Amino acid sequence: DQQVKQNSPSLSVQEGRISILNCDYTNSMFDYFLWYKKYPAEGPTFLISISSIKDKNEDGRFTVFLNKSAKHLSLHIVPSQPGDSAVYFCAASAPNRDDKIIFGKGTRLHILP
Amino acid sequence: GAGVSQTPSNKVTEKGKYVELRCDPISGHTALYWYRQSLGQGPEFLIYFQGTGAADDSGLPNDRFFAVRPEGSVSTLKIQRTERGDSAVYLCASSIGGTDTQYFGPGTRLTVL
Repeated sequence: DQQVKQNSPSLSVQEGRISILNCDYTNSMFDYFLWYKKYPAEGPTFLISISSIKDKNEDGRFTVFLNKSAKHLSLHIVPSQPGDSAVYFCAASAPNRDDKIIFGKGTRLHILP
Repeated sequence: GAGVSQTPSNKVTEKGKYVELRCDPISGHTALYWYRQSLGQGPEFLIYFQGTGAADDSGLPNDRFFAVRPEGSVSTLKIQRTERGDSAVYLCASSIGGTDTQYFGPGTRLTVL
């Protein structure tokens, strides 16, 4: 039973346009959400996070939106750059989050020249 | 500063053999996590250490898997009687405290023939 779902295995976006990566979750106890980015042969690197008390968090070109009623979050990257080509993992944790992070399966983003 | 390091980067072994995977966390990080990433999946939690003790080992798949962190720094993941299904990338992460951002190492790719 997957608690964090990324239904798009891959996504292709033209350089300079907006990339939108989507994520759904099933566990209503989750209160903290994260996005990680992963290049081949490297470990995931933290990108941006959002607490459930917020509905938006922005950091430069990256914005995460949270819709708690729909149990849905999305990562927007604008403008998309070639270096953004990577696998993006959506992840979540519950209160007392000094514990495991639950990851989705990831979405491979290709930025086209 | 130095990030999380993992050795070896690749390990090929035969079914039934014993393997040890090492993780060197970021200096000063008290929390250490092990995850396993199978092909096409996101990282799956195995075990979490706070200092020397395993605070949560609920993700270990069975008793063939064991991890230690005797001095609260370096950790070793031990797998006995390896099976082909154990083939995966084993990721280690550390954080300053349990509620902070987790920083991942590059992983050890384990292949069981």
